[in-house]
Amino acid sequence: AQSVTQLDSHVSVSEGTPVLLRCNYSSSYSPSLFWYVQHPNKGLQLLLKYTSAATLVKGINGFEAEFKKSETSFHLTKPSAHMSDAAEYFCVVSDIRTDTGNQFYFGTGTSLTVIP
Amino acid sequence: EAGVAQSPRYKIIEKRQSVAFWCNPISGHATLYWYQQILGQGPKLLIQFQNNGVVDDSQLPKDRFSAERLKGVDSTLKIQPAKLEDSAVYLCASSLDPRASGRASEQFFGPGTRLTVL
Repeated sequence: AQSVTQLDSHVSVSEGTPVLLRCNYSSSYSPSLFWYVQHPNKGLQLLLKYTSAATLVKGINGFEAEFKKSETSFHLTKPSAHMSDAAEYFCVVSDIRTDTGNQFYFGTGTSLTVIP
Repeated sequence: EAGVAQSPRYKIIEKRQSVAFWCNPISGHATLYWYQQILGQGPKLLIQFQNNGVVDDSQLPKDRFSAERLKGVDSTLKIQPAKLEDSAVYLCASSLDPRASGRASEQFFGPGTRLTVL
């Protein structure tokens, strides 16, 4: 069965310092992995996705993530935090089922606070 | 390209009343999802449609929630009667069917409907 664990429910960083949001997954298949961001009172926006191509994936707003199969991890990073990065971040794993198509499994989310 | 549309954006009702939410997915997206997101939690899948058929409704409280996707395009989610614990944001998302390409496709989310039950 698929599952996602986001290791930190809250992360706080100073503006201009690196961001690391951790995600581990469990999958019986070759998974696809996604990071979504949700700003207060907004819908979810895709930051980046991994679908079995390059293991280092670059996304929007300077974020990137590396797929490490041996560690079953897909951690999200950014070299320098900006105040506008303060939001909730969700790691999502997906597989393709022959009977139902996409199935998505959400992590519980990490709340990122950026301190001026 | 137009995104996923949802209406209304906000709804306040009293317990035991009924409410309906509407979603229009991105054109050509075969799969449509309804999620419930309670404040401070991640989205919880309520129901997933593939075209106009239900593929997963295991977490839908069927005694009070219902959903339909007539003609495989728009969808409506209904709650009747509402309870206090139904207060949440209801998110609609859509995605392409990955089985044609063999690659997973991401979900595109609408802005959500914030429901408050008093």
